[in-house]
Order: sequence, then structure tokens, then C-alpha cells
Amino acid sequence: NFILTQPHSVSESPGKTVTISCTLSSGNIAHNYVQWYQQRPGSSPTTVIYEDNERPSGVPARFSGSIDVSSNSASLTISGLKSEDEADYYCQSYDRSNPYWVFGGGTKLTVL
Amino acid sequence: QVQLVESGGGGVQPGGSLRLSCAASGITLSRFDVHWVRQAPGKGLEWVAFIRYDGSHIYFSDSVRGRFSISRDNYKDTVYLQMNSLRPDDTALYFCAKDHGVRATPFDLWGQGTLVTVSS
Repeated sequence: NFILTQPHSVSESPGKTVTISCTLSSGNIAHNYVQWYQQRPGSSPTTVIYEDNERPSGVPARFSGSIDVSSNSASLTISGLKSEDEADYYCQSYDRSNPYWVFGGGTKLTVL
Repeated sequence: QVQLVESGGGGVQPGGSLRLSCAASGITLSRFDVHWVRQAPGKGLEWVAFIRYDGSHIYFSDSVRGRFSISRDNYKDTVYLQMNSLRPDDTALYFCAKDHGVRATPFDLWGQGTLVTVSS
């Protein structure tokens, strides 16, 4: 099964922009959709990006997703950071070979 | 209000068993594929098991295959996770999550989780 690697933590100031990466260990990032989930302390995860770059209704346009085939990675970008964005963020994709659903290790976002 | 509710967690000794349940309100769970995902204390999310909406396909993570089983009773609109031969590293908050059904969003709605503690 493949592995999704995320930075353990990132931090940025309110109003700034932060990007969280998610690198696929093997296979082609473009072959299976990537989702991103936000988990605030003490809460269940919620979807902020699905199908690489789509936002569910209710998720602010400040959240965007993308994939980069050259680096075999996906990215979550949050602009105009707010204190409420402070949370753990997980990327997730799907390994068709077993099948198997894989989460990245999670990135703790701190809004300073 | 649309929500998933897990139950059945608790403390158990190593080698013991527990059965978790996942019920829905506000939706018909029998129409959706359902997953179990766990989160060990202070750790990240780990996918555990999947069951197709009609029970026709079932998959497990390597860490639980052979010890856990998953089933559903679509008359009761409930999904179950039977956990046998429990080990201390199975200690976690167990979430059920349903697929969106249309979008490629396998974990569209999550429950609040039920805590399983395996300890002697």
C-alpha cells in the first residue's frame, strides 16, 4: 500500500496564506482523487476538499486544493488565515490495488 | 438533524471482544457505503474497514484483518464492527463514516466516535 506524507506541523499568522503538502510514495497522484479533512480539537473530521480541488458547500473559498504530477503531491492552501482554521488537517486517497483507503499522518496548523 | 451515532465502546482486556454499532438519524444508512476509522490517543486517522451499501463487498486494513469483521442490518439501518482478539494497540476512538454516494468522498459524514480501551 502507498503512503501519504504530510509535514507534522505548520504555523502562520492571521491573514496570511499557508500551504500543506501531501506526497504520494508510489503510483501517480492523478490516478485517484485526494480529499482533505479538517479536525478541530475534540471534534470529528469534516471534509474541506474533495476530488482534488472541489469545496463542499459551507466551506469558505479561502480553502483550495490542487495536485502536482511533477512532485506527485497534493496541496491544501488556506488563504486569509483565521484563528478558527487552527486544526489538524489530513489528506486521504484510495489504493485500488487492495482496495485500501489511506490517510496522511496529519498536519497541525497553528495560527499564531 | 443528519447524524451518525456510534455505540458499544468500553474497556476490555487483551484477547477480549467488543461489538460496535453505527446507527443513523435523518438519513437511510442502508443506501450508503460505510467505513470504520480509528484514532489512537494523540495520533492520526487510520482506516479500519469498509462495507458496501448492500454488504456485497467488505475490506479491512492489514492491522485488523482476521480479527475484525464488519456487517450490516439494513432492516435496522445499522452497521456493526465485531472486534475479536483485541490488543492494547487497538485502543482508539472508533468513528463510523458514510460515503457521499455521488461524489468521490468516502468519508462524507462522521459520527462522534466511541472509545475502545484495551488494557489489563
